[in-house]
Amino acid sequence: GENVEQHPSTLSVQEGDSAVIKCTYSDSASNYFPWYKQELGKGPQLIIDIRSNVGEKKDQRIAVTLNKTAKHFSLHITETQPEDSAVYFCAAKGGTSYGKLTFGQGTILTVHP
Amino acid sequence: DTAVSQTPKYLVTQMGNDKSIKCEQNLGHDTMYWYKQDSKKFLKIMFSYNNKELIINETVPNRFSPKSPDKAHLNLHINSLELGDSAVYFCASSQDWQQGFQGYTFGSGTRLTVV
Repeated sequence: GENVEQHPSTLSVQEGDSAVIKCTYSDSASNYFPWYKQELGKGPQLIIDIRSNVGEKKDQRIAVTLNKTAKHFSLHITETQPEDSAVYFCAAKGGTSYGKLTFGQGTILTVHP
Repeated sequence: DTAVSQTPKYLVTQMGNDKSIKCEQNLGHDTMYWYKQDSKKFLKIMFSYNNKELIINETVPNRFSPKSPDKAHLNLHINSLELGDSAVYFCASSQDWQQGFQGYTFGSGTRLTVV
């Protein structure tokens, strides 16, 4: 089955800096890669996603890049703000997974004012 | 209007008891899921139903039994609760996994504590 590795497990940045979180996946047939943000006491919320036929996608301060050959994808957050502090999860959906998302281990992002 | 709602939000119970968690979605989605989040925040799928049909059944003790009376509802019943069942359980929904899949909408979670 699919295996997703996520790094780093914790990331601390100063307000205004950029933050990068990286994930690798094992199933070359995986075709959908979402990123979720989970705030304390809440459920994960989809913030951006990318499909396997696209190399990069941007939405305001967040962007995701996908390298299918290397089987890795990354989340980039620019001009970080304290409200960006949360746990971030990457995930991958296999080609024949019935909608199953396999999640990375999560990254605790702390943005210091 | 809450898109995916779970009840209860908190559940504290003794070992050996039987309990249920309910989930409802008003997004018109076809597929619903149960995920377990452990103390290290790791999210692992347990079950998935598509239009009331069980399509994913991961390696989960048979003390856990999902039920989907219709495509808007997915409940989770747990028999003979054990200490290791303590976790946050998330319900999620998505469009049909074969057509127009755009990721999940998660509920706010049920924190289960077994004492």
